[in-house]
Amino acid sequence: QVQLVESGGGLVKPGGSLRLSCAASGFTFRDYYMNWIRQAPGKGLEWVSYISTSGSAIYYADSVKGRFTIARDNAKKSLYLQMNSLRAEDTAVYYCARGQTTVDAFDVWGQGTMVTVSS
Amino acid sequence: DIQMTQSPSSLSASVGDRVTITCQASQDISNFLNWYQQKPGKAPKLLIYDASNLKSGVPSRFSASGSGTDFTFTISSLQPEDFATYYCQQYDDLLLTFGGGTKVEIK
Repeated sequence: QVQLVESGGGLVKPGGSLRLSCAASGFTFRDYYMNWIRQAPGKGLEWVSYISTSGSAIYYADSVKGRFTIARDNAKKSLYLQMNSLRAEDTAVYYCARGQTTVDAFDVWGQGTMVTVSS
Repeated sequence: DIQMTQSPSSLSASVGDRVTITCQASQDISNFLNWYQQKPGKAPKLLIYDASNLKSGVPSRFSASGSGTDFTFTISSLQPEDFATYYCQQYDDLLLTFGGGTKVEIK
């Protein structure tokens, strides 16, 4: 079945780094735009970044621009999020999500991975 | 960035009630709007895309309409499994944004 599975979350100190991964299965990964979306504890959803099928188009939310880097490996059917200079306000569940066609609706979501930034 | 304002932020309703949620965009987004349902501890689920199109497999009691800046999401007859938080999301701007969410609780 169509599935996304995130990994790599954990506890990190302010200023630290973490790399999230998202493994895709059940669909042709290279044909879809992919996204990272986060949700702080008890808060709403915040789109973080997306990457086009080939990786040639990448966008970031202003809140993470310059600190986070999205990447994909179509051969490995995997999406990544490198997070540097982490702040307390980056504490959230991070979801990877598939774009339904391109940059539009998020039609498949992973279960999420928790990132906690705290000293 | 385009701001999405959802209202109400929460509501209490009974099984069988008709529930309506609104979402207002800070500028014209045509029909580039989606609606999601999220239950506690779970990932969101896409219900409606392109403002009014029901995702395959989603019950027909869910519907939505609107264009430009004003959008409406309706549950025609609330069921026990519908108690959740609902979000709108725009994709007119390449910087995608969500509304703040509407929590639908049991009265």
